[in-house]
Amino acid sequence: QKEVEQNSGPLSVPEGAIASLNCTYSDRGSQSFFWYRQYSGKSPELIMSIYSNGDKEDGRFTAQLNKASQYVSLLIRDSQPSDSATYLCAGGTLNTNAGKSTFGDGTTLTVKP
Amino acid sequence: SQTIHQWPATLVQPVGSPLSLECTVEGTSNPNLYWYRQAAGRGLQLLFYSVGIGQISSEVPQNLSASRPQDRQFILSSKKLLLSDSGFYLCAWSYRTQGDNEQFFGPGTRLTVL
Repeated sequence: QKEVEQNSGPLSVPEGAIASLNCTYSDRGSQSFFWYRQYSGKSPELIMSIYSNGDKEDGRFTAQLNKASQYVSLLIRDSQPSDSATYLCAGGTLNTNAGKSTFGDGTTLTVKP
Repeated sequence: SQTIHQWPATLVQPVGSPLSLECTVEGTSNPNLYWYRQAAGRGLQLLFYSVGIGQISSEVPQNLSASRPQDRQFILSSKKLLLSDSGFYLCAWSYRTQGDNEQFFGPGTRLTVL
């Protein structure tokens, strides 16, 4: 079992819809969770960090964390064609000198005009 | 503001040739530094990380090595490349003191081994 698993996708939504990306993790010691966006041929870009149970909103993006279920999600409201990318989920442990994270394989999102 | 540089951007090398990829970070001190490899359509595989000058931890046994000769410089090397070394190589940094693992990636080097 992979430490961080993402729904395999690809995911296609119409413009203006809500895109829902999901991620589960196996290490109960994980305390910090991240969503990265990666456009084709480019490097990953950090878009959301979440450390506590519940929701965290930033513009059109909402990250949700449920530590009891070991589940992290990213909602993108009012999806735009520019949101078309691969989204990587990552989990890590707080307060470690090494600061390592484990990444999922990503979910590719296509937003159709 | 912080900036991370990687070079070269693309590289085509024959099997058995040596490799040297360089990464430098500007605008911060004492960062944690990371080397990842990404195969086509896959996630990120952590290769090496470093918490300080000369301190290198290897995550995956392979024919690659890493060095950190200066605080903000991280080098990935190989003496003899294999076909399986092809991929997208990414350098990243995080704040040492924060410990929350937010990582910031460089532009990457796309390596093709023929």
